[in-house]
Amino acid sequence: ELKVEQNPLFLSMQEGKNYTIYCNYSTTSDRLYWYRQDPGKSLESLFVLLSNGAVKQEGRLMASLDTKARLSTLHITAAVHDLSATYFCAVDPFINTGTASKLTFGTGTRLQVTL
Amino acid sequence: GAGVSQSPSNKVTEKGKDVELRCDPISGHTALYWYRQSLGQGLEFLIYFQGNSAPDKSGLPSDRFSAERTGGSVSTLTIQRTQQEDSAVYLCASSAKLASAQYFGPGTRLTVT
Repeated sequence: ELKVEQNPLFLSMQEGKNYTIYCNYSTTSDRLYWYRQDPGKSLESLFVLLSNGAVKQEGRLMASLDTKARLSTLHITAAVHDLSATYFCAVDPFINTGTASKLTFGTGTRLQVTL
Repeated sequence: GAGVSQSPSNKVTEKGKDVELRCDPISGHTALYWYRQSLGQGLEFLIYFQGNSAPDKSGLPSDRFSAERTGGSVSTLTIQRTQQEDSAVYLCASSAKLASAQYFGPGTRLTVT
């Protein structure tokens, strides 16, 4: 059974600081997704990582994937209050071509950026 | 363009009643997924539909849960004889192709009293 662990579960950081959220998973996969969820809202897709060594950046967020270590990171640079949300990683236990993505989500990291 | 839509946005029902939740995916998306989000269990996969293939029902928690997708578009998730543990937010998502981002709808918040 695929297990996906995120840490930390809760992160309070000051504006302007840098931090990294970690996502570890238990079985081989080279498909990993990051989502953002604001309170009371649905999930917003941030990044799709599809190969070992993939790195994607959007604004102050950068995501990377190391399939050998079964680890993805979401790095936050110079945090701003607008980044406050819950961040989820999700892994697709890719079996073979022709199958759709059946995501297993991590527990989520609640990020609070304080002024 | 229009995103994934779901209805109703909120549903309160009495224990033992049946409920139907609807999902309208993004036009042209061939894959459709149902997940649910609850405090105790986090985000859980329920079922997906991919084109004309048989659906993958491996995440459905019991035989009280069923789903169908008509005409390769709209999907309905049905929960029969609802129980209090069914209370959760039910999220629908769709994607255009394999290994692409899944776009989520706003969800249906189900409360079973």
